[in-house]
Amino acid sequence: ETGVTQTPRHLVMGMTNKKSLKCEQHLGHNAMYWYKQSAKKPLELMFVYNFKEQTENNSVPSRFSPECPNSSHLFLHLHTLQPEDSALYLCASSQDPDRETTYEQYFGPGTRLTVT
Amino acid sequence: GQNIDQPTEMTATEGAIVQINCTYQTSGFNGLFWYQQHAGEAPTFLSYNVLDGLEEKGRFSSFLSRSKGYSYLLLKELQMKDSASYLCAVRDESGGSYIPTFGRGTSLIVHP
Repeated sequence: ETGVTQTPRHLVMGMTNKKSLKCEQHLGHNAMYWYKQSAKKPLELMFVYNFKEQTENNSVPSRFSPECPNSSHLFLHLHTLQPEDSALYLCASSQDPDRETTYEQYFGPGTRLTVT
Repeated sequence: GQNIDQPTEMTATEGAIVQINCTYQTSGFNGLFWYQQHAGEAPTFLSYNVLDGLEEKGRFSSFLSRSKGYSYLLLKELQMKDSASYLCAVRDESGGSYIPTFGRGTSLIVHP
């Protein structure tokens, strides 16, 4: 049990659908992250929220829309996705990433997304 | 940005020792992480190095040489459950962010 949960674990959606991924952390962390993991590619950072404020958006297409209502919850809203968006979407949390202290990220199990 | 390089795949025998290398290029190095990820599961933290030298944690050790831009993860007394992907991640403060960038990962297969 890593303390970070994600739902759903698997999702199949058509290109015209709208769906949302949910992440919840029970670790008291201030920062939450969305990553995309595709086969044979490095983990790609998508969004970062620190104290509920979005601090990074790594040129992610607008068909991905994050939402962070509080420090414990993070959503990724999906609409009009493309087949190349099929991947494992991982959520993570950590202590404040702006401090020069050692910290590690705690990852959720991910949502396996297939876009048809 | 960082340029992080790891071997794609390695194989080893149960009970043996294996060393997984990671090289990187950064302008503001501020720490290197190793994570383990079993198939279909979340990455889990293994180690963190920010100073040169070896950090030992049970069967796993991690080494860092900042001058060479090089780290390795050493796994001793390999077990079948060590079959997993091992991710190297580097933190670079030059852009004002302390969020690490991940390499592609090394898939380790342990044979009986």
